[in-house]
Amino acid sequence: GEQVEQRPPHLSVREGDSAVIICTYTDPNSYYFFWYKQEPGAGLQLLMKVFSSTEINEGQGFTVLLNKKDKQLSLNLTAAHPGDSAVYFCAVSERNNYAQGLTFGLGTRVSVFP
Amino acid sequence: NTKITQSPRYLILGRANKSLECEQHLGHNAMYWYKQSAEKPPELMFLYNLKQLIRNETVPSRFIPECPDSSKLLLHISAVDPEDSAVYFCASSPPGHNTGQLYFGEGSKLTVL
Repeated sequence: GEQVEQRPPHLSVREGDSAVIICTYTDPNSYYFFWYKQEPGAGLQLLMKVFSSTEINEGQGFTVLLNKKDKQLSLNLTAAHPGDSAVYFCAVSERNNYAQGLTFGLGTRVSVFP
Repeated sequence: NTKITQSPRYLILGRANKSLECEQHLGHNAMYWYKQSAEKPPELMFLYNLKQLIRNETVPSRFIPECPDSSKLLLHISAVDPEDSAVYFCASSPPGHNTGQLYFGEGSKLTVL
């Protein structure tokens, strides 16, 4: 089955700096890719969904890059601020005719300090 | 996401039996139970599609899911164990081909004494 490696497990970022989280997956059939943010004691907040072959997507304060050739998905936090402190998970799913759920990476705990 | 409601939100148990409930008002056909232990990602426990159990991951037999209709999902836990302390997330996904898009509830936090 699919395996998703996420690194780094912890990230300490100065406010205003940028930070990158990278996920590497193994299954070439993986088609849908997600980034979730989880604040302490809270649920999973969907940040972005991507599925094109190589795509850069910009959100509010972050950029997501999908590189299917290298089977990598990255999340770039630009100009980090305290509200970005959370655990970030990547997740992948195949394209099928049936529901199957998501495979999550192990998560990256991001701490933004002044 | 108030369209997927879970109850109870918090529970503290000794070695007792308890049921978690989830209901979605999104018209989705597939419903999921995920377990998230401390410092871990969510892990799939069960997946129902149109009330049929189609994924049953390696889960202790004291966890018994039930899907009385497509919009409702239950998780019965008997004789809880300290390792069951976790947040249990319910999720659902739309009908049709899989897009990976899951809609998560806010979770039920179980603490086993």
